[in-house]
Amino acid sequence: IAGITQAPTSQILAAGRRMTLRCTQDMRHNAMYWYRQDLGLGLRLIHYSNTAGTTGKGEVPDGYSVSRANTDDFPLTLASAVPSQTSVYFCASSEGGNSYNEQFFGPGTRLTVL
Amino acid sequence: AQKVTQAQTEISVVEKEDVTLDCVYETRDTTYYLFWYKQPPSGELVFLIRRNSFDEQNEISGRYSWNFQKSTSSFNFTITASQVVDSAVYFCALRTFGSGNTGKLIFGQGTTLQVKP
Repeated sequence: IAGITQAPTSQILAAGRRMTLRCTQDMRHNAMYWYRQDLGLGLRLIHYSNTAGTTGKGEVPDGYSVSRANTDDFPLTLASAVPSQTSVYFCASSEGGNSYNEQFFGPGTRLTVL
Repeated sequence: AQKVTQAQTEISVVEKEDVTLDCVYETRDTTYYLFWYKQPPSGELVFLIRRNSFDEQNEISGRYSWNFQKSTSSFNFTITASQVVDSAVYFCALRTFGSGNTGKLIFGQGTTLQVKP
């Protein structure tokens, strides 16, 4: 069982370019999340989806969009990348969106915007 | 406001020493869950434990133990007889019932633990 896969592993991107980070899970979890990890700030929620077909904004959604066409995939798109979006991005999933469900994380994507 | 504070940015110990990682949280909700995650040098986040606000029993799992005290809003993590493989960044996180369906985990800043041989 792979769990959660993310692609690419790392990417260097010119400012202003569009970029989609991919996330796929094989656990049939209903809920999925995108976080960004920045030094000294821990992880912060960007967007979430409690079930296929629905999405919501997290703590730092500006500059990012997501879609959830099916249960397994939850891509994160940067429409026009800026240097402040340089970060490590983690996709996560949980059985449901309830507060007691632990979240399982992917290996992360390291993104550098120049 | 909801917040998690891990005051220790970095801790360095010698192998076989015991070490405690502190976590203090703030929330007005009466129902909430606390989590600890480990992030080894490889980068992935590994779930370690979940504790709900109604269960203040301490938990032990091998060399790991957790002390949850609602009176001081703390959920501290102790590693006994530390090993080099314990070297990682450890995150404490809070999820409240009041967060509804956002799924939001509120993370602390993380504590980097270095265990030297």
